Amino acid sequence: EPEVTQTPSHQVTQMGQEVILRCVPISNHLYFYWYRQILGQKVEFLVSFYNNEISEKSEIFDDQFSVERPDGSNFTLKIRSTKLEDSAMYFCASSEGGTGSSYEQYFGPGTRLTVT
Amino acid sequence: QQPVQSPQAVILREGEDAVINCSSSKALYSVHWYRQKHGEAPVFLMILLKGGEQKGHEKISASFNEKKQQSSLYLTASQLSYSGTYFCGTVEGYTGNQFYFGTGTSLTVIP
Repeated sequence: EPEVTQTPSHQVTQMGQEVILRCVPISNHLYFYWYRQILGQKVEFLVSFYNNEISEKSEIFDDQFSVERPDGSNFTLKIRSTKLEDSAMYFCASSEGGTGSSYEQYFGPGTRLTVT
Repeated sequence: QQPVQSPQAVILREGEDAVINCSSSKALYSVHWYRQKHGEAPVFLMILLKGGEQKGHEKISASFNEKKQQSSLYLTASQLSYSGTYFCGTVEGYTGNQFYFGTGTSLTVIP
């Protein structure tokens, strides 16, 4: 069964450093998403991406964050100048169609980011 | 924007039933339900659309009251594997792909 993959599974970085989290969505999916989940809290929407551009973004997704689909398979989340409060699990998800069209999302296993 | 769920936590014995509620302050186009086990990614359970269409899990049912902007997830004859945190998710109107997860309900099924 096709699945979303994410690398690395755990990333430790120092405050102020830049990190890139990588995701490979399911191959025939067109919509891609990033979420974060601070330990013990709810899953928070960061951004959705379609047709090589951001479709929607939340208030959390400020200038510190950027997303890119550098090639036909990878979808990346870049966090510039990381802060302690960026420590969280970051989930990538993909779907065939948009959630507004009522397609389910398939989540990757997540990348645990620890900022020290 | 964030849907509110109730209860926050529930403990069941195997075979018992549970209802998880999800409520939004805004008009809803659809409601999605996901389950997340500890340390794992959320897994899709069900989508409910305006007009009554549903798609999802065979053994789990749900309802969607568009007027009240509420949805309920019904877990019947619970099994140990049902344990996890349940999140509803909402898309507010056909605006695109901004998706809000609810506050979550922790469900624990014990033997």
